Amino acid sequence: DAMVIQNPRYQVTQFGKPVTLSCSQTLNHNVMYWYQQKSSQAPKLLFHYYDKDFNNEADTPDNFQSRRPNTSFCFLDIRSPGLGDAAMYLCATSRDRVQETQYFGPGTRLLVL
Amino acid sequence: GESVGLHLPTLSVQEGDNSIINCAYSNSASDYFIWYKQESGKGPQFIIDIRSNMDKRQGQRVTVLLNKTVKHLSLQIAATQPGDSAVYFCAENTNNAGNMLTFGGGTRLMVKP
Repeated sequence: DAMVIQNPRYQVTQFGKPVTLSCSQTLNHNVMYWYQQKSSQAPKLLFHYYDKDFNNEADTPDNFQSRRPNTSFCFLDIRSPGLGDAAMYLCATSRDRVQETQYFGPGTRLLVL
Repeated sequence: GESVGLHLPTLSVQEGDNSIINCAYSNSASDYFIWYKQESGKGPQFIIDIRSNMDKRQGQRVTVLLNKTVKHLSLQIAATQPGDSAVYFCAENTNNAGNMLTFGGGTRLMVKP
């Protein structure tokens, strides 16, 4: 009964080659988040969607973009991946934006060659 | 590739013993707290949460204690099992920050059989 699904689980890309990671949810939650997590570090929020409203974190590089075509799906686009972008990318959802539990997907591990 | 991450503090316990994982949070205005468990290669999994109007909350084999005076949160795991081996993150949420979570640095729990 997967609730937050991320595809692919592993993604290999080349330096500078655009890549898209996908997330879908069966919870019908209003909010979807994208986090970056590097080795032995806590997840770092990149941005989130509240319904169709996009909210970018101040320190998220312009290289990272996101799309949410409908309630169920959200995409993370990395326009020109650098070696420093290799990480685990986590998608999470919450029902609303007021002190609600965030539920995480299994993550996509990105390798940049 | 990935940059080298910080060295996570590690708690090593014997199977069957109780474990206590501590977390110091930073914002005195935080009023909602969550503990997540993250196994290797997986996304964070919700364990238990607590709101600031409570000092203690119990789940199945887990108890969270909140001390607002010293801004301290702890997770107690009773009768620790090998399946409890993971990295544990605390996260804090401030009401006026919407649903944005601030994650602590994480603690690695290793259970010895």
